[in-house]
Amino acid sequence: QVQLVQSGAEVKKPGASVKVSCKASGYTFTSYYIHWVRQAPGQGLEWMGIINPSGGTTSYAQKFQDRVTMTRDTSTSTVYMELSSLRSEDTAVYYCARCNVRDGYNYEDYWGQGTLVTVSS
Amino acid sequence: DIQMTQSPSSLSASVGDRVTITCRASQSISSYLNWYQQKPGKAPKLLIYAASSLQSGVPSRFSGSGSGTDFTLTISSLQPEDFATYYCQQSYSIPSFGGGTKVEIK
Repeated sequence: QVQLVQSGAEVKKPGASVKVSCKASGYTFTSYYIHWVRQAPGQGLEWMGIINPSGGTTSYAQKFQDRVTMTRDTSTSTVYMELSSLRSEDTAVYYCARCNVRDGYNYEDYWGQGTLVTVSS
Repeated sequence: DIQMTQSPSSLSASVGDRVTITCRASQSISSYLNWYQQKPGKAPKLLIYAASSLQSGVPSRFSGSGSGTDFTLTISSLQPEDFATYYCQQSYSIPSFGGGTKVEIK
């Protein structure tokens, strides 16, 4: 069965970086793009970017363009999201989600369990 | 960027009620509209994709309609497990989500 398993919760100080992992299983890793979405406490969902695990190409939301890096390791079927220059507003649950496509329409059909990143001095 | 506006932001309903949530896009997105359900402490779950296609395993009491800029999610008979927050998402261009609709017990 398809699974996305994320790394555990992190506590970081302002100005630091965090790297969250998302390990995929149950499908061909390189056949589906992976999105990253975050959710601040009590808030809605915010799209951060997407990575193609096959070639490693990425596209980031403009808001995060200069602070986020998404990478992948095909040998372990794992994608990573690194966010730098953390500030308190980055405190959120970070999700990875698989992007499926049917008849030209794309949607996120499987999600990781989420990783809480807390930024606090 | 395309802005997605959901209404209402919250609603109270009883088990068995018919519930309708609306989502409006700031420009035409054809049928590139998805609906997700999220329960507290859990990841979102896909309900509807391409505006009206029911995701496998999702109960048939959920349905979606609309195209262009105006969309609706309907729950025909609300069940206890349906109390949650619902989000629309456009996948026409850079993805964006609506602000969410919290469905609470009346």
